[in-house]
Amino acid sequence: KAGVTQTPRYLIKTRGQQVTLSCSPISGHRSVSWYQQTPGQGLQFLFEYFSETQRNKGNFPGRFSGRQFSNSRSEMNVSTLELGDSALYLCASSLADRAYGYTFGSGTRLTVV
Amino acid sequence: KNEVEQSPQNLTAQEGEFITINCSYSVGISALHWLQQHPGGGIVSLFMLSSGKKKHGRLIATINIQEKHSSLHITASHPRDSAVYICAAVRADGLTFGKGTHLIIQP
Repeated sequence: KAGVTQTPRYLIKTRGQQVTLSCSPISGHRSVSWYQQTPGQGLQFLFEYFSETQRNKGNFPGRFSGRQFSNSRSEMNVSTLELGDSALYLCASSLADRAYGYTFGSGTRLTVV
Repeated sequence: KNEVEQSPQNLTAQEGEFITINCSYSVGISALHWLQQHPGGGIVSLFMLSSGKKKHGRLIATINIQEKHSSLHITASHPRDSAVYICAAVRADGLTFGKGTHLIIQP
């Protein structure tokens, strides 16, 4: 079956712009979570959505937001981009019970110039 | 202090050696996830375990809930095992990650 699909794979944006990233989960997975990975901070949890509702949120400013659609696809948006937002953004999907594990996408590498 | 600590941060070994990567956590968890990340960024889930031991091929993961400690072992290591290995604590509020162990297996 198809894995977790993230688009686009690479993105270059200018400071102050906004960006939208997309994540399509594995069929049947209703939970989608987002993560930011930087060389300095490693992997950090952004937020998690389940059945179109935000279930958890990490410690990131309000410029980072997300949503989930009825087909479980999710988008995350970053407004007013800063240089420090340059990172690999990963999403993962899982069944409702996280104990069954997560499947990660290949990520979107965002560069802010 | 990070809630999830991994050691070592970097590990270089010769092909064929037995590898151990350690993960300690200071928070209550429902499970622990071991992940593998190759250059280029893609993350592969290796194990999810909440007790005992799991084995897949040359990889073995163990967890001791009382001691809040997990280990990932690689037997008969091979250069293709070179990657970053990350442990992640599964909690009600999401995943908390260790900083990762950068493993290089030299032929």
